Amino acid sequence: GAGVSQSPSNKVTEKGKDVELRCDPISGHTALYWYRQRLGQGLEFLIYFQGNSAPDKSGLPSDRFSAERTGESVSTLTIQRTQQEDSAVYLCASSKPGTANQPQHFGDGTRLSIL
Amino acid sequence: AQSVAQPEDQVNVAEGNPLTVKCTYSVSGNPYLFWYVQYPNRGLQFLLKYITGDNLVKGSYGFEAEFNKSQTSFHLKKPSALVSDSGLYFCALRREGGYNKLIFGAGTRLAVHP
Repeated sequence: GAGVSQSPSNKVTEKGKDVELRCDPISGHTALYWYRQRLGQGLEFLIYFQGNSAPDKSGLPSDRFSAERTGESVSTLTIQRTQQEDSAVYLCASSKPGTANQPQHFGDGTRLSIL
Repeated sequence: AQSVAQPEDQVNVAEGNPLTVKCTYSVSGNPYLFWYVQYPNRGLQFLLKYITGDNLVKGSYGFEAEFNKSQTSFHLKKPSALVSDSGLYFCALRREGGYNKLIFGAGTRLAVHP
């Protein structure tokens, strides 16, 4: 597609349930990032994938959070046993291969609400 | 440690007037600096970046930013604001040759009034 695609756009679930968020990056973009944006705040880095290298998971807030990526395409972010504090917009971004000067291109996010 | 500060939560500007959204940063080594804008219920849209070279960087939609190493600042500017420029603006930092994640400021809400 033309841009980064995320699904679902909105997700409402009950506390304690598991959720899975999907990101489809721009074709040819080997780098993929997940960020969390809490209401009224900036973006927090969660995880970074680059090709076949081991992902940088340093931003994941707890072991309830995990992410996978299939090759250089789709990624899924899974949150297990959701808590109300997990309510946020989860943004995915991708960028071209190469150096760190490439801008990241963002999807429209998944708005997650935990009841 | 790397950090980005956006000292203003909100900036109000009349349409047609110049606008400035401030950003300062802290990093060891050379910074890569970025500006993004976020419109309601949308992701972030890239505006411009500073990597190296000229301190004045021109970007999308008439925006520009000036890199000032001595003041560790990267303020976003536009000579004549439009109502459609209203949105949430984020400054972001990445260290040269280091981490690939972006460090974001808390954001500045720009409101341009007709």
